[in-house]
Amino acid sequence: EPEVTQTPSHQVTQMGQEVILRCVPISNHLYFYWYRQILGQKVEFLVSFYNNEISEKSEIFDDQFSVERPDGSNFTLKIRSTKLEDSAMYFCASSEGGSAQPQHFGDGTRLSIL
Amino acid sequence: AQSVTQLGSHVSVSEGALVLLRCNYSSSVPPYLFWYVQYPNQGLQLLLKYTSAATLVKGINGFEAEFKKSETSFHLTKPSAHMSDAAEYFCAVGVGISDKLIFGTGTRLQVFP
Repeated sequence: EPEVTQTPSHQVTQMGQEVILRCVPISNHLYFYWYRQILGQKVEFLVSFYNNEISEKSEIFDDQFSVERPDGSNFTLKIRSTKLEDSAMYFCASSEGGSAQPQHFGDGTRLSIL
Repeated sequence: AQSVTQLGSHVSVSEGALVLLRCNYSSSVPPYLFWYVQYPNQGLQLLLKYTSAATLVKGINGFEAEFKKSETSFHLTKPSAHMSDAAEYFCAVGVGISDKLIFGTGTRLQVFP
């Protein structure tokens, strides 16, 4: 069964550094998403992406964040200047699109900011 | 605004006992509701989804959920718990133009032998 893959599984970065989290969504999916889960808290929506542009973004997704689909397969989340509070598990998801279609999640990247 | 509330952050049951995990939603329009499971160090796996075709929805691993509009609920049940069911369970509602998911706070299920 096709799956969403995320790399790396764990990223340790110094505060203030840039970080790029990578995702390969399921190949025939059209909608792409990033979520994050701070330790002990619920999963929060960050951004959705469709047709090569952002569809929706949350208040968390400020100017420090950006997303890109540089080629036909990868979907990346960049944090320009990381803060301690960016430490979290980041999940990528994709779906075929349409309200009834479920999102399929990757195993996540654990981002630790020192 | 659409949201979901999960009552009970922790639920403990004995192996073989009924599992009941509660989820209530708040929505001004017919909602699309989902249950996801998260095993340790893994991503979110879809258990089942409600999309208005049927009020009783069957999912994977013997789980099912019933959509009750009068109670604004979408509780998850399994008749007989198995040790392998121990995980965190999240209820979610799809909202907005891109159907982003709004998650509940999760319920950690423990199963004792």
